Amino acid sequence: QVQLKESGPGLVQPSETLSLTCTVSGFSLTSYSVSWVRQPSGKGPEWMGRMWYDGDTAYNSALKSRLSISRDTSKNQVFLKMNSLQTDDTGTYYCTRDSTHWFAYWGQGTLVTVSS
Amino acid sequence: DVVMTQTPVSLSVSLGGQVSISCRSSQSLVHNNGNTYLSWYLQKPGQSPQLLIYKVSNRFSGISDRFSGSGSGTDFTLKISRVEPDDLGVYYCGQGTQYPPTFGAGTKLELK
Repeated sequence: QVQLKESGPGLVQPSETLSLTCTVSGFSLTSYSVSWVRQPSGKGPEWMGRMWYDGDTAYNSALKSRLSISRDTSKNQVFLKMNSLQTDDTGTYYCTRDSTHWFAYWGQGTLVTVSS
Repeated sequence: DVVMTQTPVSLSVSLGGQVSISCRSSQSLVHNNGNTYLSWYLQKPGQSPQLLIYKVSNRFSGISDRFSGSGSGTDFTLKISRVEPDDLGVYYCGQGTQYPPTFGAGTKLELK
């Protein structure tokens, strides 16, 4: 079945870079796109960016200058890197298998806290 | 960006009852291909959001027919009938018509 699992550090220092990995199973990254979505505690989700099935990427313009998404299809992994983290970047980060216009499958999420 | 406004912010319901949640978008969600990409998600306590409805009224795989979506243009509604304990949580609407995809702030469904 379709599964996605996020991994990465739970705590990041202000101004540092966040690196997260999404490991997928049950589908191919060359057939489906994967998006990163984050959610501050008690707030609605925010779409961050997408790794298209063809290897292209798309980013939320609000984050584009700080964000990079890449993948390793041989390892079934999608990566997120975001630099210059601030306290308002604290929240739960999800990877999702999306159908371009909606988000069908979500990982369990990983909590990222930005604090010194 | 398209702003999604959900009302009410919270809702109390008795088990077995029916509720409606409203979602309004700041721009029409009709895509230039004619489809309307409005979806609904439920986030149960401590869990990830799960897709309930896509393209306004299409139930995702395994979703009960107690959930129904309707609407057009900028105004949409999610109805939940015969509410069960497992339906409690926060409901979000989301749009995938315009970039970037955006979500509402959520409607919390609680027991009366």
